[in-house]
Amino acid sequence: GAGVSQSPSNKVTEKGKDVELRCDPISGHTALYWYRQSLGQGLEFLIYFQGNSAPDKSGLPSDRFSAERTGGSVSTLTIQRTQQEDSAVYLCASSQAGGWSYEQYFGPGTRLTVT
Amino acid sequence: AQSVSQHNHHVILSEAASLELGCNYSYGGTVNLFWYVQYPGQHLQLLLKYFSGDPLVKGIKGFEAEFIKSKFSFNLRKPSVQWSDTAEYFCAVSLLNAGNNRKLIWGLGTSLAVNP
Repeated sequence: GAGVSQSPSNKVTEKGKDVELRCDPISGHTALYWYRQSLGQGLEFLIYFQGNSAPDKSGLPSDRFSAERTGGSVSTLTIQRTQQEDSAVYLCASSQAGGWSYEQYFGPGTRLTVT
Repeated sequence: AQSVSQHNHHVILSEAASLELGCNYSYGGTVNLFWYVQYPGQHLQLLLKYFSGDPLVKGIKGFEAEFIKSKFSFNLRKPSVQWSDTAEYFCAVSLLNAGNNRKLIWGLGTSLAVNP
């Protein structure tokens, strides 16, 4: 595909359950980013991948959050034991190279609702 | 602490009015500057960026921004807005953090509503 894709587009889950969010970046983009956007808030950085490694995990809010990237392509963000405060839109972006100076291309996001 | 401030959280304009959205950052070193836009129901997308050279940069859809280093500002402007400019606008600044790693810091966004 031409752009960044994310799945699912919407996810409703019960408090305490685990969820997995998927991001498929633009082909050839080596850098991948996860953000969280809560109602009325700006973008909150979660984690950044360069290839399959994550040089910057500083934004992960707790140890319930983890992410991995395989084959330098698809990435999965996992939230364990979800809490209501995890409800937000989770955005993925990719760029052709790392270093934060390149244009990021964003996916449509996954809207997570924890009930 | 390093931060990016967008002073206008909500802006309401009539069509043909001029627009200026403020963006200020707190950092004394070399920066790369971005404005992203999110139209209703659409993805975030790049509006314009500044890396070096002419501090007045032009982006898509008639937008421009001026980097004023002495004021640590990168304000977004458009001389005449249209209803289709209704969107959320985000300023982002790429800078080096305390650990000498480059980071991208985002502003909280400005919601622009243009009345026809």
